[in-house]
Amino acid sequence: NAGVTQTPKFRILKIGQSMTLQCTQDMNHNYMYWYRQDPGMGLKLIYYSVGAGITDKGEVPNGYNVSRSTTEDFPLRLELAAPSQTSVYFCASSYGGPNEKLFFGSGTQLSVL
Amino acid sequence: AQKVTQAQTEISVVEKEDVTLDCVYETRDTTYYLFWYKQPPSGELVFLIRRNSFDEQNEISGRYSWNFQKSTSSFNFTITASQVVDSAVYFCALSPGGKLIFGQGTELSVKP
Repeated sequence: NAGVTQTPKFRILKIGQSMTLQCTQDMNHNYMYWYRQDPGMGLKLIYYSVGAGITDKGEVPNGYNVSRSTTEDFPLRLELAAPSQTSVYFCASSYGGPNEKLFFGSGTQLSVL
Repeated sequence: AQKVTQAQTEISVVEKEDVTLDCVYETRDTTYYLFWYKQPPSGELVFLIRRNSFDEQNEISGRYSWNFQKSTSSFNFTITASQVVDSAVYFCALSPGGKLIFGQGTELSVKP
């Protein structure tokens, strides 16, 4: 019973490098989300998707891109990593939107040095 | 403004004590949902409860209870007879109109 799977768990990037955080869910959920968690700041929404082929910006989208080619996968792309993107990233999914229970992945701890 | 405030950044208790985590929210919407999530040291957030704005009944689930008061815009969470396994960061969240807004979180430490 996998739920929401994120990879990698940890990553160190140099300034200016690019990388993709992978997220996949096996619950056939329509909605998927990417959050970042900074110390003492709660979770901030980066991007979300309401279904395959449809994505939209959240509160803090700058410096990130997403795609949703399938129901299962929702990768997050960092194009030119900056120290401000050092954070813990969580992928989540829900069947019917943010008014419903969210299922979270285990997180990716990213450091940009 | 849509906002969730968890004024308690850190709480430390001794096992078997009762502890209440405060959550105050702001929204102009008349229909909204409130949530509590738990983030144990392993890191993954786990759903605890969801409440809609029309249901002010208190909820009890084992040692956990939730008190929702629209008059004070609060949705507080009480753990009775706390245990070491309750040590975690707890997030309150508000969903008005299709956006989920998290509070800053309260880190609870339960010492044996």
